[in-house]
Amino acid sequence: DAGITQSPRHKVTETGTPVTLRCHQTENHRYMYWYRQDPGHGLRLIHYSYGVKDTDKGEVSDGYSVSRSKTEDFLLTLESATSSQTSVYFCAISEGQGYGYTFGSGTRLTVV
Amino acid sequence: SQKIEQNSEALNIQEGKTATLTCNYTNYSPAYLQWYRQDPGRGPVFLLLIRENEKEKRKERLKVTFDTTLKQSLFHITASQPADSATYLCALEGGNTGKLIFGQGTTLQVKP
Repeated sequence: DAGITQSPRHKVTETGTPVTLRCHQTENHRYMYWYRQDPGHGLRLIHYSYGVKDTDKGEVSDGYSVSRSKTEDFLLTLESATSSQTSVYFCAISEGQGYGYTFGSGTRLTVV
Repeated sequence: SQKIEQNSEALNIQEGKTATLTCNYTNYSPAYLQWYRQDPGRGPVFLLLIRENEKEKRKERLKVTFDTTLKQSLFHITASQPADSATYLCALEGGNTGKLIFGQGTTLQVKP
């Protein structure tokens, strides 16, 4: 969507390797979120950020870390990828409480 | 634990009819409730937001109701069209971080 881009769009990686997904926004929104979407589970929050260097865990944060050194970039890192982390990952941005999210187009990650 | 339930069965309706989707929740007191549309292979798109002190919200052919006593929201699409076919997600927001908890979504199929 306009104002938010995710990279890469697709990635295949091997078990045990580190992987970093990038989310970039041009909207200057304070809040950024990483979700994963799996059949039967819907969208689940991994980590979120409420400002530069301010991040917190979501409901499925084990095995993931994030960093936000600039307002526009929010990185999601899988320290050592496992097959259970095969999923579609979505980044979203928001102006805060009471505002809708704008989602990126997603990254389809396959861990083999 | 907090739980959001949307009908997992697909909703099939005839073009021109009104589609009604249901979102029920438990163990939660959301300040806001949001509805999103998601097409296959795409990120969710924000449609409507309704606040806890609002009973109803409209936008063009869309109408959302929010009953905090029943812990339920209804999402209506009037004069439905085949282009309305998609998965619709309900999301609840509470607290001051803008975090959303999503339901698993209901797939709507509008037949010509």
